[in-house]
Amino acid sequence: KQEVTQIPAALSVPEGENLVLNCSFTDSAIYNLQWFRQDPGKGLTSLLLIQSSQREQTSGRLNASLDKSSGRSTLYIAASQPGDSATYLCAVKGKSTFGDGTTLTVKP
Amino acid sequence: NAGVTQTPKFQVLKTGQSMTLQCAQDMNHNSMYWYRQDPGMGLRLIYYSASEGTTDKGEVPNGYNVSRLNKREFSLRLESAAPSQTSVYFCASSEAHWGYEQYFGPGTRLTVT
Repeated sequence: KQEVTQIPAALSVPEGENLVLNCSFTDSAIYNLQWFRQDPGKGLTSLLLIQSSQREQTSGRLNASLDKSSGRSTLYIAASQPGDSATYLCAVKGKSTFGDGTTLTVKP
Repeated sequence: NAGVTQTPKFQVLKTGQSMTLQCAQDMNHNSMYWYRQDPGMGLRLIYYSASEGTTDKGEVPNGYNVSRLNKREFSLRLESAAPSQTSVYFCASSEAHWGYEQYFGPGTRLTVT
């Protein structure tokens, strides 16, 4: 059974800092991996989708990497802003398994 | 485009009552999904419909039924609600099954007393 772990569960950083969020999965037989953000009381917003054949994807200040052999993905956020404060979730597609998320707080 | 819409936004039920959660998407997607989100347990897949006319069980299907009414609409029914079904329910859609980006609705917050 696929298990997805996100560490740390919570992270607080000052504005302007670059940061990395981690996502680990146990079964490397995946179709793709998707990163989402979720604001309190809201639905999930898609950030990046990495296909299993890809190593990374970039969108603006966000860069996501995928290493299937080690069962890891990272989400890099450059020059963080208070508006980036949210919970970030990764989802591994084979059977659509989600991690519990990392709650990010960016302090002005 | 509205994307994925869900109704209602909030609902309170008594144990044993039934209700249907509605979901619609306007992106011409083939695949649709129902998830529930609970504190400490993340999002879990209840049912999905890979294409119009098909439905399959996910990780936690017990106590639920689904109907893919047409390509746009996918409903989730609770026949006899239980307190354990108190949760936030999300509908999602994608262009095709699994290999494509998923788009989520705003959620339905359900409380069963």
